[in-house]
Amino acid sequence: AQKITQTQPGMFVQEKEAVTLDCTYDTSDQSYGLFWYKQPSSGEMIFLIYQGSYDEQNATEGRYSLNFQKARKSANLVISASQLGDSAMYFCAMREVQYNFNKFYFGSGTKLNVKP
Amino acid sequence: DAMVIQNPRYQVTQFGKPVTLSCSQTLNHNVMYWYQQKSSQAPKLLFHYYDKDFNNEADTPDNFQSRRPNTSFCFLDIRSPGLGDAAMYLCATSRGGAYYEQYFGPGTRLTVT
Repeated sequence: AQKITQTQPGMFVQEKEAVTLDCTYDTSDQSYGLFWYKQPSSGEMIFLIYQGSYDEQNATEGRYSLNFQKARKSANLVISASQLGDSAMYFCAMREVQYNFNKFYFGSGTKLNVKP
Repeated sequence: DAMVIQNPRYQVTQFGKPVTLSCSQTLNHNVMYWYQQKSSQAPKLLFHYYDKDFNNEADTPDNFQSRRPNTSFCFLDIRSPGLGDAAMYLCATSRGGAYYEQYFGPGTRLTVT
């Protein structure tokens, strides 16, 4: 089974609007970390936000927030007030504590296009 | 203040001619990773080091080798590049443990002619 599933290959959003990128995960580990990365067309992967499995509050970093629903095993990224510079690929990733704790599992990504 | 540096940024090699990509870090992280990424796909983990312990992915071809002579440096050797090895190669580092993010370098774009 896929560890990380991103079901939206591509999305469009109007500038200044909010957008939600979906991510579901599969693990039997009780302790794990969830991460979102942005990859612009230049190619560099940029870390955006992190959520630990035991964190009770949703993580926020500026315009990014992570909507963490543990029972549903989902970790959706919310970008508020979209900007043209947000156009990029977005990857959700997970790292487990118990099983090979240094390995990151990536989803297939969502390509976000922000329209002016 | 680059933290993960990859050289070169662009590499052109001939079919079958060995090539080495390098990665260095100033973060003193004990985990270093090599990923292969093809267009519009997720990064594919080739291998990683936890300190000196080498961890190879089961589906990484034997054509790909790696060396980590010290904490700061890691190399990816492609012994006999094929056309299918043309890709972006990303180096990343992290602290050990599930709660730490990865820091990526800018990548090396490999072209095989």
